[in-house]
Amino acid sequence: AQKVTQAQTEISVVEKEDVTLDCVYETRDTTYYLFWYKQPPSGELVFLIRRNSFDEQNEISGRYSWNFQKSTSSFNFTITASQVVDSAVYFCALSDLSSGSARQLTFGSGTQLTVLP
Amino acid sequence: DSGVTQTPKHLITATGQRVTLRCSPRSGDLSVYWYQQSLDQGLQFLIQYYNGEERAKGNILERFSAQQFPDLHSELNLSSLELGDSALYFCASSGTGKSWTEAFFGQGTRLTVV
Repeated sequence: AQKVTQAQTEISVVEKEDVTLDCVYETRDTTYYLFWYKQPPSGELVFLIRRNSFDEQNEISGRYSWNFQKSTSSFNFTITASQVVDSAVYFCALSDLSSGSARQLTFGSGTQLTVLP
Repeated sequence: DSGVTQTPKHLITATGQRVTLRCSPRSGDLSVYWYQQSLDQGLQFLIQYYNGEERAKGNILERFSAQQFPDLHSELNLSSLELGDSALYFCASSGTGKSWTEAFFGQGTRLTVV
């Protein structure tokens, strides 16, 4: 069965610091997809990125970057020059083929990021 | 705006009651997923429908049921409600082809059982 572990429950940083959120996953499939979602205090889930298991290139989008390493089953998320508006709960999620053609997501427990002014 | 619409946004009801949560997927998306976010269990998958048919079941209680209608909107029915059913319920939708891999979430329905 698939599993996603976010060992960091809470992280606090001061504005402009860089911060990395860790995500470790388990799956028996060779084809799978990894996601990051942001949940701000308002409660909605905001899609940030999707990465498939065959693409190990790191990705950068503005202040956000993602480091995917299959060898360690990790998909870490870094925010550079953090801002107060980055304060939210961040979820890592996995979608694989173990459930057949279904595409449901298995979420980690989330990391509460607080960026202090 | 994800394009997924959930109503109502908030719901307060008493134990033992029954409620219906509604979800309209993004235009063209055939798959609808329901998730529950609670303090105890985190975010967990409940059930998936694809073009009107149940596709997958997760940790959904027998007191809960769902359906997807011909116009592709979906409803999640929660009955004999207990205090522990208080949670944020999300609906997500995804399409076919490349877009199936991105699940877009609605804003959620916050259910409070008192």
